[in-house]
Amino acid sequence: ETGVTQTPRHLVMGMTNKKSLKCEQHLGHNAMYWYKQSAKKPLELMFVYNFKEQTENNSVPSRFSPECPNSSHLFLHLHTLQPEDSALYLCASTLDRRGYTFGSGTRLTVV
Amino acid sequence: EDQVTQSPEALRLQEGESSSLNCSYTVSGLRGLFWYRQDPGKGPEFLFTLYSAGEEKEKERLKATLTKKESFLHITAPKPEDSATYLCAGHYGGSQGNLIFGKGTKLSVKP
Repeated sequence: ETGVTQTPRHLVMGMTNKKSLKCEQHLGHNAMYWYKQSAKKPLELMFVYNFKEQTENNSVPSRFSPECPNSSHLFLHLHTLQPEDSALYLCASTLDRRGYTFGSGTRLTVV
Repeated sequence: EDQVTQSPEALRLQEGESSSLNCSYTVSGLRGLFWYRQDPGKGPEFLFTLYSAGEEKEKERLKATLTKKESFLHITAPKPEDSATYLCAGHYGGSQGNLIFGKGTKLSVKP
């Protein structure tokens, strides 16, 4: 375990479903991130939260909705996704941006 | 546009056969160069951060170096357990210090 815990590890959902991904860290970090990792592509930054405030939305479609209720928890709410949204979704956190700790990811399959 | 490019895309080595992975990056605004290891189905695991040209860091069979245009990850006498995808990322500052990742090099070490 890295200290960043993501649940669930695997998720299969239909295009009309609504689901949520959860990320939790108790490392005392104050910034949290969502990344998308697709085959043959670099990790893509989706959202950044700094001290619970969203400070960046990297042109992500509105069918992805982040939520950060406190500095230890981060959610990614999913609705009406497309098959091309199937990917590994990674959460990361950092305190001083000199080191980023990643979770193990949620493998999402949209059918 | 800030960019990080890794080569080769894939590398096959025999156990004990030393080699190097390359990461080239656009220079302007780079605040740090990160190396991560990623095993299948897991999140990236932090290896090194390099901040200035000429800097070197070592960990077991791995040694990372940084020049003004590129970074190398040298693997000395690799073992099968070193098989993984190695990711390079540039930290380009901004208020959130986001990481820009390369596509990675998939390393396979055969016994």
